[in-house]
Amino acid sequence: KAGVTQTPRYLIKTRGQQVTLSCSPISGHRSVSWYQQTPGQGLQFLFEYFSETQRNKGNFPGRFSGRQFSNSRSEMNVSTLELGDSALYLCASSLEGRGQQETQYFGPGTRLLVL
Amino acid sequence: DQQVKQNSPSLSVQEGRISILNCDYTNSMFDYFLWYKKYPAEGPTFLISISSIKDKNEDGRFTVFLNKSAKHLSLHIVPSQPGDSAVYFCAARINNNDMRFGAGTRLTVKP
Repeated sequence: KAGVTQTPRYLIKTRGQQVTLSCSPISGHRSVSWYQQTPGQGLQFLFEYFSETQRNKGNFPGRFSGRQFSNSRSEMNVSTLELGDSALYLCASSLEGRGQQETQYFGPGTRLLVL
Repeated sequence: DQQVKQNSPSLSVQEGRISILNCDYTNSMFDYFLWYKKYPAEGPTFLISISSIKDKNEDGRFTVFLNKSAKHLSLHIVPSQPGDSAVYFCAARINNNDMRFGAGTRLTVKP
C-alpha cells in the first residue's frame, strides 16, 4: 500500500505570494491533518479534514487554509506569505480520526522557503 | 502552551547499549501516546504507541513505558544501533484529536 504523498517536495516563494501544497493520503484513509515544523516551534498542528470538512483547527492565522476533496486528497493554501512561513509542512493521514485510537502516518513533507 | 515536553534536546549512546528517551506531559486527558522517528528531509515515521490504559508496550527493540501518575513516558531502545540515530518525537492525543508533539530529542548512536 502506498504511503502518504506530498507535492511539491520543495518550493521557493517570495513574500506576499501565495502557495498551494497537496497531500494524497494512504488509500482508505479519510482523515488528513496538516502540521508545520520549524526549528524554533517544533511540530505544530494546523488543521484536520475529514469527509471534506474541517473538523479541527490549530492556532494559526486565517492566511492558512485548506480543503479536502471527495477522494480524501487535501490541499493547503497559504496566502500573503511571510518570511516566518518558511518551514517543513507535513501532512498525516489516518483512517477515521475519531472514535478509536489511531496512528497518523506522515508524508515526506514540503519544504517551503520564503525569500 | 507546551503540553508535551522533551527536556533533553540530545542524547548520545554507544552502539549495543540502551537508549532511553523521556517525555513529560501536563494534560491528564491525553489517552494515546506515540513515538515518531524523523530523519532530515523526511516526514516522521511512526515507531510505537501506547494507550493510557496500559503501562507498557513492546515491539522488537522498542519499548514504551507510561507512568500516568507522574505524567511521564519513556522510549527504550535495546540494543541501540547506529541506524537509530535520528530525532525522536513523542506525541499525545485526546480522543483522537490533533497530536501535540514534544520538541524532539536527537539521538546519536556511536559505533
